[in-house]
Amino acid sequence: KQEVTQIPAALSVPEGENLVLNCSFTDSAIYNLQWFRQDPGKGLTSLLLIQSSQREQTSGRLNASLDKSSGRSTLYIAASQPGDSATYLCAVMKAEKLVFGKGTKLTVNP
Amino acid sequence: EPEVTQTPSHQVTQMGQEVILRCVPISNHLYFYWYRQILGQKVEFLVSFYNNEISEKSEIFDDQFSVERPDGSNFTLKIRSTKLEDSAMYFCASSVRRSGGGTSTDTQYFGPGTRLTVL
Repeated sequence: KQEVTQIPAALSVPEGENLVLNCSFTDSAIYNLQWFRQDPGKGLTSLLLIQSSQREQTSGRLNASLDKSSGRSTLYIAASQPGDSATYLCAVMKAEKLVFGKGTKLTVNP
Repeated sequence: EPEVTQTPSHQVTQMGQEVILRCVPISNHLYFYWYRQILGQKVEFLVSFYNNEISEKSEIFDDQFSVERPDGSNFTLKIRSTKLEDSAMYFCASSVRRSGGGTSTDTQYFGPGTRLTVL
């Protein structure tokens, strides 16, 4: 059974800092991996999707990497801003469904 | 930009009552999904739907749950007899194509969710 773990559970940083969020998964036979952002009481916003054949994807200040063989992904956020404060979820896709981690709650302090 | 919409945003019901949660997926999408998130817990897959039938469901999706695409735009989740433990945020998602099968993959786009409270 696929398990997704995210470390740390919470992270607080000063504005402007670069940071890395970690995601690990137990079954490397995935089709893709997505990073989402969730604001309190709101839905999920897709940030990046990395296909299983890819090593990384970039969008603006975000860079996500994937090492399928070791079951790891990282989300790198450059020059963090207070507006980046949210919970970041990692999810792996197998067959029809996404399996989610519990998320990392990020707080960026002005 | 097209987005998935869900109604209502918040539903309060009594235990044992039936509820229907509604979703309007993105118009050119063909694959539809329901997920739920119990407060403080992970987002969990419930069911996927394509071509007017369920393509995969989780063990959570028992006989109390059903899905339907009653017309060309809506996608619904019905819970026949709600339990206290059904209280959660329910998310609808849609994608253009199915992920997996060794072929193309695609992003699932999520709606804002319906918060279901069972009293």
